[in-house]
Amino acid sequence: SQELEQSPQSLIVQEGKNLTINCTSSKTLYGLYWYKQKYGEGLIFLMMLQKGGEEKSHEKITAKLDEKKQQSSLHITASQPSHAGIYLCGARYNNAGNMLTFGGGTRLMVKP
Amino acid sequence: DAGITQSPRYKITETGRQVTLMCHQTWSHSYMFWYRQDLGHGLRLIYYSAAADITDKGEVPDGYVVSRSKTENFPLTLESATRSQTSVYFCASSDPSTQETQYFGPGTRLLVL
Repeated sequence: SQELEQSPQSLIVQEGKNLTINCTSSKTLYGLYWYKQKYGEGLIFLMMLQKGGEEKSHEKITAKLDEKKQQSSLHITASQPSHAGIYLCGARYNNAGNMLTFGGGTRLMVKP
Repeated sequence: DAGITQSPRYKITETGRQVTLMCHQTWSHSYMFWYRQDLGHGLRLIYYSAAADITDKGEVPDGYVVSRSKTENFPLTLESATRSQTSVYFCASSDPSTQETQYFGPGTRLLVL
């Protein structure tokens, strides 16, 4: 969706390196969801951010939502081969229903 | 099994044939969704349903039909399959009374020859 842009589209990193994936919205976000998709499988929910400036962590993955609630970043520290997959952000723009608009995804490869 | 399941997981069909993809969830979530995932387009919403007997179009509904006679099931039918409908299809469900995420099924890979 052009409302929600992810960058980069793909990323290859050496194991142990840090990396950041960005998700930028053209409109103010009500909520931002991060998912991981292993190749050939469904989407696994990682984290949800709702408040401006909010930051959440799960194991070595940290997600932040900027103060203006229009951009989120996903940071992986000391990447491992298990982090490989497709990362997608999903935007919620209102409080009605649970409709999400998805970004194009970022394909991450981690070289051992 | 609890959760959200899709069947079949893989399907090969020919142009012009009717195909139905099944989706079943055990949480009694009121909302259900169908997406297709294609390279360069990410996830695009085909149809969604807010409750049994209530459905609405998403971003790319042409060529698809849905129904929802029971809360737990949300089948997607391609009435006359075309090659452009070759894709990976994901079903999802959610509970709108919470801020929770959508929960996704494992996907169905469809190839239209």
